[in-house]
Amino acid sequence: SAVISQKPSRDICQRGTSLTIQCQVDSQVTMMFWYRQQPGQSLTLIATANQGSEATYESGFVIDKFPISRPNLTFSTLTVSNMSPEDSSIYLCSAYTQGGLHFGNGTRLTVT
Amino acid sequence: TQLLEQSPQFLSIQEGENLTVYCNSSSVFSSLQWYRQEPGEGPVLLVTVVTGGEVKKLKRLTFQFGDARKDSSLHITAAQPGDTGLYLCAGAWNNDMRFGAGTRLTVKP
Repeated sequence: SAVISQKPSRDICQRGTSLTIQCQVDSQVTMMFWYRQQPGQSLTLIATANQGSEATYESGFVIDKFPISRPNLTFSTLTVSNMSPEDSSIYLCSAYTQGGLHFGNGTRLTVT
Repeated sequence: TQLLEQSPQFLSIQEGENLTVYCNSSSVFSSLQWYRQEPGEGPVLLVTVVTGGEVKKLKRLTFQFGDARKDSSLHITAAQPGDTGLYLCAGAWNNDMRFGAGTRLTVKP
């Protein structure tokens, strides 16, 4: 199965700043996704990031707040911009390959 | 509103007991997947079911996809403490994956 490397694994940030999360896949994949998860709860899809096209955002998530890059078939970034405490959460990237989603271990973000 | 409804939300059982987790929707999915997640890690894919009525077995875990491809179940036989975790079902929906609310399973020794 695909190996997804995500960094940073955790960070504590001040409100008003921005954080960029990186996601590296060990194989080329067309479809990548970014999710948000509150501890112990389910996953909420933020956006779909396919190489060669603009990211597609879900309702409640906008590009100005969560800009995404997908420069090639193995890499993507998610930026959480102008952070507020409400952005504190676990952010997970995933890649669709071999019939299912494969996830990184997530980035635990705390905004103070 | 969750596209996929999972039940129960929480389940605490003794080692050796059997259990079933359900995943239901009013929508038809091209495929449905089950994941298990442990604290501090991302979800790990357990199985993908594609065909209505399909049954797959993974050691003590049995997965079933409903005939109409709207629901699925996960049955664990003789649960062990190592089965403890958050179990998530996910359906393929309009080129992305939507997750159920999850079932948090605790198996006590």
